[in-house]
Amino acid sequence: DTGVSQDPRHKITKRGQNVTFRCDPISEHNRLYWYRQTLGQGPEFLTYFQNEAQLEKSRLLSDRFSAERPKGSFSTLEIQRTEQGDSAMYLCASSSEIGTSGQETQYFGPGTRLLVL
Amino acid sequence: RKEVEQDPGPFNVPEGATVAFNCTYSNSASQSFFWYRQDCRKEPKLLMSVYSSGNEDGRFTAQLNRASQYISLLIRDSKLSDSATYLCVVVYSGAGSYQLTFGKGTKLSVIP
Repeated sequence: DTGVSQDPRHKITKRGQNVTFRCDPISEHNRLYWYRQTLGQGPEFLTYFQNEAQLEKSRLLSDRFSAERPKGSFSTLEIQRTEQGDSAMYLCASSSEIGTSGQETQYFGPGTRLLVL
Repeated sequence: RKEVEQDPGPFNVPEGATVAFNCTYSNSASQSFFWYRQDCRKEPKLLMSVYSSGNEDGRFTAQLNRASQYISLLIRDSKLSDSATYLCVVVYSGAGSYQLTFGKGTKLSVIP
């Protein structure tokens, strides 16, 4: 399977614990994005990387959230001191730079569903 | 005004019907537009990009109206398998800023 993969697929944790999610993008893609989606809402942009550089962070990304992409390949998203409001689906997407179509296409992974008790 | 707004759902249509969704956006400098499809408890998947001149892919037609700041998706001859949530995406990139915004989505149910 050469698509975007995410691990774990599901995570249940207690409030106050730290969690870390991993995303492996499509291998030739240099852009990687993290989103959060709650029930009945569209995905909300959190942050994105071009290679190893984190170029944009949403105001949704509080100081408890940190994302890294150390070698420009896989990425991790860590949430410290989790709160019940962090319960959501965390989606990762990757893309390559704009091609001949003039538009960038993002391909999503299956997501990590987080439940904070 | 919200950055990206979509028609409220759900849309319940019979098989074979034609259905249209609209999506309005607030940032007139937005540059890229897409429609994604999301099945229940699955990740979004790209349905089609939206080009200025409008574009068609089989039963699906997407259009962009920059003057009125909306995009539309038309589905002809609806199939049961078209049942899903349709999300519009609007992208602005420039001046050191990157903003990608999804709408809340419109749920479509195609009924036998």
